[in-house]
Amino acid sequence: DAKTTQPTSMDCAEGRAANLPCNHSTISGNEYVYWYRQIHSQGPQYIIHGLKNNETNEMASLIITEDRKSSTLILPHATLRDTAVYYCIVRATLNFNKFYFGSGTKLNVKP
Amino acid sequence: SAVISQKPSRDICQRGTSLTIQCQVDSQVTMMFWYRQQPGQSLTLIATANQGSEATYESGFVIDKFPISRPNLTFSTLTVSNMSPEDSSIYLCSVEVTGWFSGQYFGPGTRLTVT
Repeated sequence: DAKTTQPTSMDCAEGRAANLPCNHSTISGNEYVYWYRQIHSQGPQYIIHGLKNNETNEMASLIITEDRKSSTLILPHATLRDTAVYYCIVRATLNFNKFYFGSGTKLNVKP
Repeated sequence: SAVISQKPSRDICQRGTSLTIQCQVDSQVTMMFWYRQQPGQSLTLIATANQGSEATYESGFVIDKFPISRPNLTFSTLTVSNMSPEDSSIYLCSVEVTGWFSGQYFGPGTRLTVT
């Protein structure tokens, strides 16, 4: 699976958009980009995933660059409850469905 | 979606003993996984729990230390054997869901402290 690179931590003001970048420059054509988050040692929570098109759901938007070498997770109106570690993972659906987690980004939402 | 429960939620154990962690899911799933999260670290995949056959272990993890059972499509156990303080971690199970959503749901985790 492709390796991902994320900033160690980011700050965001409450009510503002949080934009979390992820670099996956070695991604291959059959690998999806997944985002999960982990709030204070709870089990990771699924946020969104995509292959090449931008995706949006009730939680977030995922913007994938045209060359698929990077992506950005957007939380449109961050709240204090969005403070968590955010993991960007790339996975080939044929690779026995395994997830390999990187170090993630600690997002601190501040009042 | 899938609802996953783990037992126990936390435990404190003495070195040299073993602990079995249970993972129960509310629907039949083909694939279940076990992860370890050491203090302050990210998640590390331990193994894939295969129904009806031996688990498939990742590099650095062995069956003698982390025996896994998967007796049916809704249940799995992970045993942490002959524990040492270095085994103090959160252990999480996850299940693969397919259909309109293809990805994994995670259990709440078991926080293990070895003294």
